[in-house]
Amino acid sequence: DAKTTQPNSMESNEEEPVHLPCNHSTISGTDYIHWYRQLPSQGPEYVIHGLTSNVNNRMASLAIAEDRKSSTLILHRATLRDAAVYYCILKAWGGATNKLIFGTGTLLAVQP
Amino acid sequence: EAQVTQNPRYLITVTGKKLTVTCSQNMNHEYMSWYRQDPGLGLRQIYYSMNVEVTDKGDVPEGYKVSRKEKRNFPLILESPSPNQTSLYFCASHQNSDTQYFGPGTRLTVL
Repeated sequence: DAKTTQPNSMESNEEEPVHLPCNHSTISGTDYIHWYRQLPSQGPEYVIHGLTSNVNNRMASLAIAEDRKSSTLILHRATLRDAAVYYCILKAWGGATNKLIFGTGTLLAVQP
Repeated sequence: EAQVTQNPRYLITVTGKKLTVTCSQNMNHEYMSWYRQDPGLGLRQIYYSMNVEVTDKGDVPEGYKVSRKEKRNFPLILESPSPNQTSLYFCASHQNSDTQYFGPGTRLTVL
């Protein structure tokens, strides 16, 4: 699975938008871009995933660059509850193990 | 409510004393996995299961066993725990390649 690069940490103010970047220059054509987050003292939680087109769901939006070498997770209005470690993960569809390869992620701090 | 449960949530034990961490999911998922999380190393897959009676090793299987006798349960067994197995353990389940659901974690300390 290809590697991703994320900033170690970011800060945001409550109720402001947050853009979390992820670089994946070695992404292959079959790799999906997944985002998970891990709130303090909890297990990882699925946020969103996409292949080529931008995606929206109730939690966030995912903007994917045209060349797919980078993507951005967008939280439209950060809340204190969004403070977590955010992981950008590349994963090919299917595969026997279906494992997720977690990097170190981005620690998002949200200030009131 | 769709969920993955793990028990116990916290466990302190001594070297060599066999233990089992249970994992159960209520979503009828075929796939289940165990991960461990260590500072600076992220989450690493220990074992996974594709269905009842079908299990295989992940990236760090040494010192662990699993079984999948029922679809909903996937216990993690440490026959002879050692201090290097002190870690935070997560069970996960999923039905397809989209979304994995993780349990709340089990913090294990082996003295």
